[in-house]
Amino acid sequence: GAVVSQHPSWVICKSGTSVKIECRSLDFQATTMFWYRQFPKQSLMLMATSNEGSKATYEQGVEKDKFLINHASLTLSTLTVTSAHPEDSSFYICSARAWGWGISQYFGPGTRLTVT
Amino acid sequence: GESVGLHLPTLSVQEGDNSIINCAYSNSASDYFIWYKQESGKGPQFIIDIRSNMDKRQGQRVTVLLNKTVKHLSLQIAATQPGDSAVYFCAENYGQNFVFGPGTRLSVLP
Repeated sequence: GAVVSQHPSWVICKSGTSVKIECRSLDFQATTMFWYRQFPKQSLMLMATSNEGSKATYEQGVEKDKFLINHASLTLSTLTVTSAHPEDSSFYICSARAWGWGISQYFGPGTRLTVT
Repeated sequence: GESVGLHLPTLSVQEGDNSIINCAYSNSASDYFIWYKQESGKGPQFIIDIRSNMDKRQGQRVTVLLNKTVKHLSLQIAATQPGDSAVYFCAENYGQNFVFGPGTRLSVLP
């Protein structure tokens, strides 16, 4: 089946530093990947849609200069949280689009970011 | 639009009982639906899907029912086990859009 990985699975960083999270589709090519964040006991919130070879599309309210997304290849998208603050602490999940009967999304295992 | 940050409703069931998780979807043009399971600290996991030309689809211990008349989707889990404890999300697909429901937390009681 379709497998999506994320790295790192857990990261702690100091306030003001930047953190990069990688999302890879391991056994399929994904022209479109998605980045979500999730707060405890809440649903997934879509941050941006990442298209290979083009600029990401950000959801309303998401700062594109703070959450830099790069989709350099058909199997890799990265999310960089720049100048991180404690309020950026969250669970970040990526997914990759795949085609079956309709559009499916396969999710990575998530990255827990803690900003101290 | 996409799911917003809402506190999740919870469904509690006794181990061994059947669970029914419901979802109301938004767009009558949606033609494909998926149920995901998300365990604590993990990403969502694909469980089962169904096309709009179907009313029912069965998997291993899970059944998805689709009622297009009232735009309602349900996930039935037979003989619920402790390992089924998780948050369950439905998702609908229409065209290029893929939209999640708010999710339901399933808690299995011993």
